[in-house]
Amino acid sequence: EPEVTQTPSHQVTQMGQEVILRCVPISNHLYFYWYRQILGQKVEFLVSFYNNEISEKSEIFDDQFSVERPDGSNFTLKIRSTKLEDSAMYFCASRVGGQQETQYFGPGTRLLVL
Amino acid sequence: LAKTTQPISMDSYEGQEVNITCSHNNIATNDYITWYQQFPSQGPRFIIQGYKTKVTNEVASLFIPADRKSSTLSLPRVSLSDTAVYYCLVGDIMDTDKLIFGTGTRLQVFP
Repeated sequence: EPEVTQTPSHQVTQMGQEVILRCVPISNHLYFYWYRQILGQKVEFLVSFYNNEISEKSEIFDDQFSVERPDGSNFTLKIRSTKLEDSAMYFCASRVGGQQETQYFGPGTRLLVL
Repeated sequence: LAKTTQPISMDSYEGQEVNITCSHNNIATNDYITWYQQFPSQGPRFIIQGYKTKVTNEVASLFIPADRKSSTLSLPRVSLSDTAVYYCLVGDIMDTDKLIFGTGTRLQVFP
């Protein structure tokens, strides 16, 4: 069964550093998402992406965040200058498109900002 | 987006049927009800989705009464591997496709 993959599984970085989290969505999917989950808290929507542009973003997704689909397979989330409060699990998700289609989540990247 | 209310936690034993009820009093006409499952340190996984009456798949059943103000996820004969957090989500999938997760129900299955 096809699945969403994410790399790295864990990343430790220093505050102020840039990080890029990578995702490979399921190959025929057209809609892509990033969510995050701070330890012990809810899964929070960050951004949705379709047709090479952001379709919706949350208040969390401020100017330090950006997303990109640099090629036909990867979908990335960049955090330009990490803060301590960016420490969380980051999940990528994708879906085919069309009505009522479910989102498939990746295993996540655990980001720790020191 | 309709607000949902679920029990914070539930306990069960292997082989039992588990029913998790979600209240969504303000559900709108176009809203669908979707349930996701999340194991520790993993991404959420879709379980089932419905609009009204009953939906069944190989994993679970979803019961939605006529007024749609609540829904019940039914897991038949749970096993230890069903220990997870279960989320009820309500939203208009035609309007927005972002998923809004609540705190979910933490199901613990004991041997």
